[in-house]
Amino acid sequence: KAGVTQTPRYLIKTRGQQVTLSCSPISGHRSVSWYQQTPGQGLQFLFEYFSETQRNKGNFPGRFSGRQFSNSRSEMNVSTLELGDSALYLCASSPGGQGAKYEQYFGPGTRLTVT
Amino acid sequence: KQEVTQIPAALSVPEGENLVLNCSFTDSAIYNLQWFRQDPGKGLTSLLLIQSSQREQTSGRLNASLDKSSGRSTLYIAASQPGDSATYLCAVTGTYKYIFGTGTRLKVLA
Repeated sequence: KAGVTQTPRYLIKTRGQQVTLSCSPISGHRSVSWYQQTPGQGLQFLFEYFSETQRNKGNFPGRFSGRQFSNSRSEMNVSTLELGDSALYLCASSPGGQGAKYEQYFGPGTRLTVT
Repeated sequence: KQEVTQIPAALSVPEGENLVLNCSFTDSAIYNLQWFRQDPGKGLTSLLLIQSSQREQTSGRLNASLDKSSGRSTLYIAASQPGDSATYLCAVTGTYKYIFGTGTRLKVLA
């Protein structure tokens, strides 16, 4: 099976712009989670989608949003970019189901730099 | 609120040494605990998953244990190699999603 793929791998944006990141989960996986990784805050949970519905959400401002399509692919959008949004954004997929019992498989990440 | 701590933050050992990485968590109501490896600038590679009903898991030179009652997990790496150099992260899941520790940066010297 192909692993989790994320596009693009690298992105440079200017403050105030918006950005959309994409994640394709492992075939058959219905849950997609997004994480932000920065040197100062470590890995932080953004949100999780299961069957096109946001099932769980972390403590991030409303500028961070996401969605999931019927084929389980997911997109994450960040509006009005700030310098502090520079980070590695990781996507993880799992079979889903009840709760967070299932092993998560991570993609290579998208490195976002905001200037 | 679940908090996950990893000690030490960094570790440097000579090749061939056996080593233990520690992970502690404050809320024992978890579904599972997973250990990951992350190479610089890369994504996370899953090493071992321990379900809440299990005490340990083994894969090759790696052994992870889980003690829910004390809120601790250890990752044991036998006969370390330079290729083991990476950051090791533990993550726990409960009614919330994965909560990650801050990681242990391991360097194995040839």
